[in-house]
Amino acid sequence: SQQGEEDPQALSIQEGENATMNCSYKTSINNLQWYRQNSGRGLVHLILIRSNEREKHSGRLRVTLDTSKKSSSLLITASRAADTASYFCATASGTALIFGKGTTLSVSS
Amino acid sequence: DGGITQSPKYLFRKEGQNVTLSCEQNLNHDAMYWYRQDPGQGLRLIYYSQIVNDFQKGDIAEGYSVSREKKESFPLTVTSAQKNPTAFYLCASSTGTLQETQYFGPGTRLLVL
Repeated sequence: SQQGEEDPQALSIQEGENATMNCSYKTSINNLQWYRQNSGRGLVHLILIRSNEREKHSGRLRVTLDTSKKSSSLLITASRAADTASYFCATASGTALIFGKGTTLSVSS
Repeated sequence: DGGITQSPKYLFRKEGQNVTLSCEQNLNHDAMYWYRQDPGQGLRLIYYSQIVNDFQKGDIAEGYSVSREKKESFPLTVTSAQKNPTAFYLCASSTGTLQETQYFGPGTRLLVL
């Protein structure tokens, strides 16, 4: 049961540029989470934003949540080659986390 | 060193064979999960367990089985009934509720011979 959908599917930028990824979902949520996955590895939790929050920061990451539009965005500022990975949003609704298909970010030096 | 371990890293299955993937955590988490990831896809939930000796089916449980005899361990068996088992399998854990932050293991890649 697909809930979150990331956009774009793939993103290529240069080091130092900002990267923005979006996530749209369909039903009401309790929280929304962003995870990173390096190729062939497990997922790493980046940030959790609750339904009553609008914006959250963690280092170079900024997440916004617009519950009226059922959407979230993840901004990575001053990207580095090490940010190259797939990024997934996961929505918490009902009894489980539901993951989208991810955005693949490629940062070239 | 706290975390989740999965073994083996790669696993090969022959036709008609059952194989078991190991997942162990020392984070003292109550809840544990198994996900399947296919190329270019998101994660799909196979099974989850919120407490020892209890587990629930996820979205794609057919052809899989689990047990939760200890808090630290949540092994997944891929049975011969699973006709398309080639995938990347991820185990995760969380403190309790299913909606909080999940911590993932490094994954097991299952290939069919």
